[in-house]
Formats: sequence, C-alpha cells, structure tokens
Amino acid sequence: RKEVEQDPGPFNVPEGATVAFNCTYSNSASQSFFWYRQDCRKEPKLLMSVYSSGNEDGRFTAQLNRASQYISLLIRDSKLSDSATYLCVVNEGNFNKFYFGSGTKLNVKP
Amino acid sequence: EPEVTQTPSHQVTQMGQEVILRCVPISNHLYFYWYRQILGQKVEFLVSFYNNEISEKSEIFDDQFSVERPDGSNFTLKIRSTKLEDSAMYFCASSGQGRDVSQETQYFGPGTRLLVL
Repeated sequence: RKEVEQDPGPFNVPEGATVAFNCTYSNSASQSFFWYRQDCRKEPKLLMSVYSSGNEDGRFTAQLNRASQYISLLIRDSKLSDSATYLCVVNEGNFNKFYFGSGTKLNVKP
Repeated sequence: EPEVTQTPSHQVTQMGQEVILRCVPISNHLYFYWYRQILGQKVEFLVSFYNNEISEKSEIFDDQFSVERPDGSNFTLKIRSTKLEDSAMYFCASSGQGRDVSQETQYFGPGTRLLVL
C-alpha cells in the first residue's frame, strides 16, 4: 500500500502551457499537505503548502479535496525553469513523519 | 537565507564498513530528519529526531542505523556494516518552530551521495 501516489509522468508541455498534477493519499487522518520541487540530483525544496481552502502563489495553485483524498497542483504559463520533478508530501498532523510521493516529472519545452 | 549543510557530499565505502554522515541543521530549528533516495526512486523517510531523542523511525531504520546529536549543532547518521543496497542519496532536513505543522517548511540539505562497493 502506497501512502502517497502520483502519476510519474513525464509531462512534456510547451512553454506557456497550463499543466495539472494530481496526488492521492491513503490515510484519511492526514492533516498537512505540501508540494515540493526537486531538480535532478538536488534536494527537495518546498514549493507551497496546501490549505483546505486552496491557495495560490503566482502561477501556482494548489487544491485539496479531503473527501476524495487528493491534492492537485496547477501551473499556469509554464516556463522552461519549471522543468523539475514535483513531489507531493503528506503529514498526519505532527512533525514526526512525512510521506513523499514518487514525484511527477515535468519537462517544459521551448 | 539560512541553510542546512551536509558533509561529505560524496562517500565511497566498501561493503561491511561503517559510515557517518554529518549534517548541520538550521540553528534555531527543533526537528531533524534523515531521508534517503535511491537513484530513480522516491524520497524515503528514515527517522525524525526531537528533543534529543528519536520521535519516529521507518521500517528501513533498523539496528544498522543510528542517529546522534553530539554537540547541539551536528546531527549525524551512522550506518554500520554497510550493504550494497545502502547506496543512495541521504538527505538531512530540519524544521523550526513547532507551532503548526501545516505552516512548517522542511529545509533539506544538499545530500550525501553514498556508494557502497
């Protein structure tokens, strides 16, 4: 049983495209949700936390659907620099353990 | 911006040897973590550490592994009797204030790439 599942991709999109990633989690008690970005052979870096009401940060919008246990990330007006692997991360409401999805790879082409 | 540092950046060792991976978390952070990522696979949680003790560990973190915060700044991961399958990138992370986990950022170090021959 995978705690967090993501479509591995890759998603190959042209610059300027809008792309959406989904992530599902298995534990209904999960409380905190995050999207991280990981460049090749680098460490994960927080992109944004995901709040129940949904949240937006510039071109990035995150949504949470607790009933269906999924989280989404929407990237508008894709840039070449958005090419990376996007990791969905879930926590059960404490600081002890974070579950990572396997990541969705995005390639933005000129 | 404060950052987590890790040393060494690369480590090559022979099977059966012990290795110690070192991390310096961000100075005012309270929570510390070790993760590993086998090449091409997902980031896997190993252990979390708070208030000078392990708060949670995964099935991967067996008796072969131990963590320590010997001096209030360094946070180390020791792997005894390394195996070929221990070859991976090991990331240290820390997070801060402990008020609300949904507001927390885990800051990751750049990783130590371990190769067991």
